[in-house]
Amino acid sequence: DAKTTQPPSMDCAEGRAANLPCNHSTISGNEYVYWYRQIHSQGPQYIIHGLKNNETNEMASLIITEDRKSSTLILPHATLRDTAVYYCIVSLNNDMRFGAGTRLTVKP
Amino acid sequence: EPEVTQTPSHQVTQMGQEVILRCVPISNHLYFYWYRQILGQKVEFLVSFYNNEISEKSEIFDDQFSVERPDGSNFTLKIRSTKLEDSAMYFCASSEAGLGFTDTQYFGPGTRLTVL
Repeated sequence: DAKTTQPPSMDCAEGRAANLPCNHSTISGNEYVYWYRQIHSQGPQYIIHGLKNNETNEMASLIITEDRKSSTLILPHATLRDTAVYYCIVSLNNDMRFGAGTRLTVKP
Repeated sequence: EPEVTQTPSHQVTQMGQEVILRCVPISNHLYFYWYRQILGQKVEFLVSFYNNEISEKSEIFDDQFSVERPDGSNFTLKIRSTKLEDSAMYFCASSEAGLGFTDTQYFGPGTRLTVL
């Protein structure tokens, strides 16, 4: 079973930052936090991952709290094409267990 | 940009028939995975594969399922005798590293299997 807790749904206005929270209070020291998203029934798309430090790439930023018990995925300028289900996954040894995720709806 | 490809995109079969779903992982990747997603449900791990052997499998991956890397590029999932409940999207994924490491898995677009 997934080791993360995410809100089932969120809305965001187009052009605004989307901040998606994730709780992973039972994370162990060497487990990574991964974020994927799934648009309609397409294959999950990798977004970003991190261990302890905050990370940024061309798609998003990942903020991990100091105690590593929670994290936030930030889409800095959400577009309509960012409407998707976003999955936060705690992973060790490539053991990816998907939960229900957060359904993000970006509205015009 | 390299990507995982899957064929066919949609497979319709009769209950009890055998199906083979095909995947071409990213070329320098060594670890391969199959997942499934029943309509409206979570993405579920089925099996991981490395060096021509199953590394890990879930309780879903019973004797009706098998995986194979028949040549240097393809990775296949076979369902021997399909049941109605096998209807789902099946996703293939690959990664450079695998068990014992943490490495990003890249997913294919999926094959929609419909069992009638």
